[in-house]
Amino acid sequence: EPEVTQTPSHQVTQMGQEVILRCVPISNHLYFYWYRQILGQKVEFLVSFYNNEISEKSEIFDDQFSVERPDGSNFTLKIRSTKLEDSAMYFCASSDREGTQYFGPGTRLLVL
Amino acid sequence: QKEVEQNSGPLSVPEGAIASLNCTYSDRGSQSFFWYRQYSGKSPELIMSIYSNGDKEDGRFTAQLNKASQYVSLLIRDSQPSDSATYLCAVTPGGSNYKLTFGKGTLLTVNP
Repeated sequence: EPEVTQTPSHQVTQMGQEVILRCVPISNHLYFYWYRQILGQKVEFLVSFYNNEISEKSEIFDDQFSVERPDGSNFTLKIRSTKLEDSAMYFCASSDREGTQYFGPGTRLLVL
Repeated sequence: QKEVEQNSGPLSVPEGAIASLNCTYSDRGSQSFFWYRQYSGKSPELIMSIYSNGDKEDGRFTAQLNKASQYVSLLIRDSQPSDSATYLCAVTPGGSNYKLTFGKGTLLTVNP
């Protein structure tokens, strides 16, 4: 069964460093998303992406964040200058036109 | 602020019993409703989607939607210890086709 994949599974970085989280959505899906989940808290929407542009973004998704689809398969989330409070699980998701979203396994980001 | 509310639990049921999970949402314009299961440290896994009032059954799971009461529920019949997880209610808010708003989840424990 097709699935969303994410790399790396874990990332440790120093405050102020840039990180890039990578995702390969399900191949025939057209809509891509990033969510985050701080430990013990709910899953929060960051951004959605369709047709090579951002469709919607949350207040969390400020100028520190950017997304890109650099090729036909990858979808990336870049955090330019990480802060301690960026420590969280980051989930990529994708959906077809129906809108049902399927989540990847996540990247656990720890900012020291 | 468009909210999705769930009892955090834990909800404890014996093996073989029916588990009943509830969710309310504040945005009357919400269109799509989903139940996800999340094991500790893992990503949300889709269980069911429901879009119109009434019941929708899939195996041991039944989702119920009442838009007038802004209420979604999930029934799990013949609960198994492997069903022990956090169950997340997610809603697509009115005016958005692109994001899910999640509740904090209900922790379900099925005792053998």
